Amino acid sequence: NAGVTQTPKFQVLKTGQSMTLQCAQDMNHNSMYWYRQDPGMGLRLIYYSASEGTTDKGEVPNGYNVSRLNKREFSLRLESAAPSQTSVYFCASSGPGQGFGNYGYTFGSGTRLTVV
Amino acid sequence: AQSVAQPEDQVNVAEGNPLTVKCTYSVSGNPYLFWYVQYPNRGLQFLLKYITGDNLVKGSYGFEAEFNKSQTSFHLKKPSALVSDSALYFCAVRDYRDSSYKLIFGSGTRLLVRP
Repeated sequence: NAGVTQTPKFQVLKTGQSMTLQCAQDMNHNSMYWYRQDPGMGLRLIYYSASEGTTDKGEVPNGYNVSRLNKREFSLRLESAAPSQTSVYFCASSGPGQGFGNYGYTFGSGTRLTVV
Repeated sequence: AQSVAQPEDQVNVAEGNPLTVKCTYSVSGNPYLFWYVQYPNRGLQFLLKYITGDNLVKGSYGFEAEFNKSQTSFHLKKPSALVSDSALYFCAVRDYRDSSYKLIFGSGTRLLVRP
């Protein structure tokens, strides 16, 4: 039972390069989310997908795009990376109902991205 | 909009002593509140949640949280701290906007338990 799987775990990019962060969940959850974590700022929502086929902007969407490929997979793309996007990125999914199931979110282990 | 605040960047406590990590909330309607813990280089793990019912919620690893409506607080507590409790703790509140539910997180509190 893997839960939420994120790849890669670490990545170094040069300014202007592009990349896609992958996320997959095996819990049959409808909703999936991408957050970034920065020191002193907690987790900030980038994009989310309430259900398969829908995506919406969160608090800090600029510079990112997302794709909900199917119910299991939700990817985050940086088209032209900037040093301000250096951060730790977390994918999460949530279970059924308004109470988010038993555990709220289930998180992946994160991707540590450095843009130089 | 819903929000939570964690007023302390860091909490220091000696092993064996009780610990409290503070969280206050601002919501319209009934709050759905959560606590998560993050160990180094790991994702966030669920500790406990409050939706309705008893104001004292018990969770994983011996943690509990007290919901106080009059003070709009949801403080995380443990009677006897362990060195292994040292980690980053996040309070979160459910938010409903644009026909979707999501969690809004506080800035986090680092707990350091010294031997």
